[in-house]
Amino acid sequence: AQSVAQPEDQVNVAEGNPLTVKCTYSVSGNPYLFWYVQYPNRGLQFLLKYITGDNLVKGSYGFEAEFNKSQTSFHLKKPSALVSDSALYFCAVRGIYGNKLVFGAGTILRVKS
Amino acid sequence: NAGVTQTPKFQVLKTGQSMTLQCAQDMNHNSMYWYRQDPGMGLRLIYYSASEGTTDKGEVPNGYNVSRLNKREFSLRLESAAPSQTSVYFCASSEVAGSYGYTFGSGTRLTVV
Repeated sequence: AQSVAQPEDQVNVAEGNPLTVKCTYSVSGNPYLFWYVQYPNRGLQFLLKYITGDNLVKGSYGFEAEFNKSQTSFHLKKPSALVSDSALYFCAVRGIYGNKLVFGAGTILRVKS
Repeated sequence: NAGVTQTPKFQVLKTGQSMTLQCAQDMNHNSMYWYRQDPGMGLRLIYYSASEGTTDKGEVPNGYNVSRLNKREFSLRLESAAPSQTSVYFCASSEVAGSYGYTFGSGTRLTVV
């Protein structure tokens, strides 16, 4: 069965500092991995995905994520955080033979000026 | 604009009342999904429809029914609402399988009193 773990309920970072939001996964076979962001009272918005190829994936709003197969991780990163990045972030995984995304519990990112 | 449309956006029900949440997508996607979002629990899959004419249970189907009316529309029905069904409900759609992520609606905030 597929599963996703986001070990941090909340991440706090100062504006201008780099940020990392952690995600580990479990899936049979090769994974398709996704990050979504949710702003207050809004639906989820797609940030980026890893399908195959380069382990460093670049996405929207300056975010990137690094796929590490040996550690089964897909951490979200940004070199310089903005206050406007404050939101709820979800990691998700699906197997190549499945059509259902499994989501992590979410991590609240707070960026303070 | 293309996307996933959910109605209503807000609803308050009394225990035992019934209601149907509507979802429509105009992206010609084959698969549609209903999730509920609860604090600290992320998104949990209620039901999904891999293609027109098919529906399957997800992780938390009890107390819900669904109808895939046509390729565009996928409704979620609460026959006898309970306070435990107070949640935010999201509809999503995607291609059948593979490397595609989901497109989400903006959500329905349901309160059962």
